[in-house]
Amino acid sequence: NAGVMQNPRHLVRRRGQEARLRCSPMKGHSHVYWYRQLPEEGLKFMVYLQKENIIDESGMPKERFSAEFPKEGPSILRIQQVVRGDSAAYFCASSREEGAFFGQGTRLTVV
Amino acid sequence: RKEVEQDPGPFNVPEGATVAFNCTYSNSASQSFFWYRQDCRKEPKLLMSVYSSGNEDGRFTAQLNRASQYISLLIRDSKLSDSATYLCVVPAGSGYSTLTFGKGTMLLVSP
Repeated sequence: NAGVMQNPRHLVRRRGQEARLRCSPMKGHSHVYWYRQLPEEGLKFMVYLQKENIIDESGMPKERFSAEFPKEGPSILRIQQVVRGDSAAYFCASSREEGAFFGQGTRLTVV
Repeated sequence: RKEVEQDPGPFNVPEGATVAFNCTYSNSASQSFFWYRQDCRKEPKLLMSVYSSGNEDGRFTAQLNRASQYISLLIRDSKLSDSATYLCVVPAGSGYSTLTFGKGTMLLVSP
């Protein structure tokens, strides 16, 4: 029973490129969270999705960021035209009522 | 009051000590609460959930005070391996809902 799978683990992008982060939730979990953690900072909520539905995107920056969780396949967090300030660890979690379980994260570095 | 507030620490304690962390929250609609631990550059891992007045698991005890809107985590007989950041997590409501993380309290256990 695999846990939450995120890939890639590490991603390097040049300024202006696009970054795509993938998250496959635990088996049986239908809800996915995305969080961002800047160096030396806490976890900041970005978006909360159910399959084919965005439940809460109040933490998503208004521009360049988007997320989806299609009926089939992983959840995708997409960052267009990346800037150096996007460098961070991006964690995905899937949840049941007993709690949320995190993937190992994707560390994005923008050079 | 901030949504979820924690003393950032660090708490420096010797092995064998008892240490307690508090976390205050602002959303009175929250029904269940969670404590996570996060090691440096790793994903948060679920430590304990708190549904009613409290929960105990070995050396760890979590308590909830709804009237004062705070939860606490008590660690007895601290081990070196307990050194980590402890995150308080508050859902927005009952069932599936957005999870708000505190910034965490750092614990350093020394020999």
